[in-house]
Amino acid sequence: GAGVSQSPRYKVAKRGQDVALRCDPISGHVSLFWYQQALGQGPEFLTYFQNEAQLDKSGLPSDRFFAERPEGSVSTLKIQRTQQEDSAVYLCASSINRGSYGYTFGSGTRLTVV
Amino acid sequence: AQSVTQPDIHITVSEGASLELRCNYSYGATPYLFWYVQSPGQGLQLLLKYFSGDTLVQGIKGFEAEFKRSQSSFNLRKPSVHWSDAAEYFCAVAPTGTASKLTFGTGTRLQVTL
Repeated sequence: GAGVSQSPRYKVAKRGQDVALRCDPISGHVSLFWYQQALGQGPEFLTYFQNEAQLDKSGLPSDRFFAERPEGSVSTLKIQRTQQEDSAVYLCASSINRGSYGYTFGSGTRLTVV
Repeated sequence: AQSVTQPDIHITVSEGASLELRCNYSYGATPYLFWYVQSPGQGLQLLLKYFSGDTLVQGIKGFEAEFKRSQSSFNLRKPSVHWSDAAEYFCAVAPTGTASKLTFGTGTRLQVTL
């Protein structure tokens, strides 16, 4: 596609519910990143994929967070047993190749945990 | 660990006036430096980036930034602001030489008065 597509745009989850957030990167983009942006804050790194390999997951805040990119294109960020502190905008970004900083960000998914 | 400081949380300027947004970073060497803009409900758009070479960098939408090693700064400037420039601006850094995570500042919200 022309840009990075994220779905859903908005998600309201009850505390304890599991959620799955989807990212469709630009076709052919090898690198894919997930960021978490809390209200009034800058984005914070969660995890990074090079094709299907998850090369860095140091930013995942707990073992309730899990990300995958099984075929090296679409990625899913899963949050189990959501907590109120998980409420944030989750941003996905992709880049054409390793070493390139021409990231393209999606519009994000706003997650609200009630 | 690297960090980014944007000391101004909120700035208001009149349309047509000049603008300077401040950014200071902490890092062991000269990192890669970026400025992004985020409009409400939108993803991040890259305005400009500095990797090496000329310390005055030109970007899109008439923005420029100057890297000052002695001050560990990378301030964003625009000579004449337009009402459409109202948005949130983020400075970010990344380690040199690798495709790696961006570390963002907390952002500066720009309001433009007519």
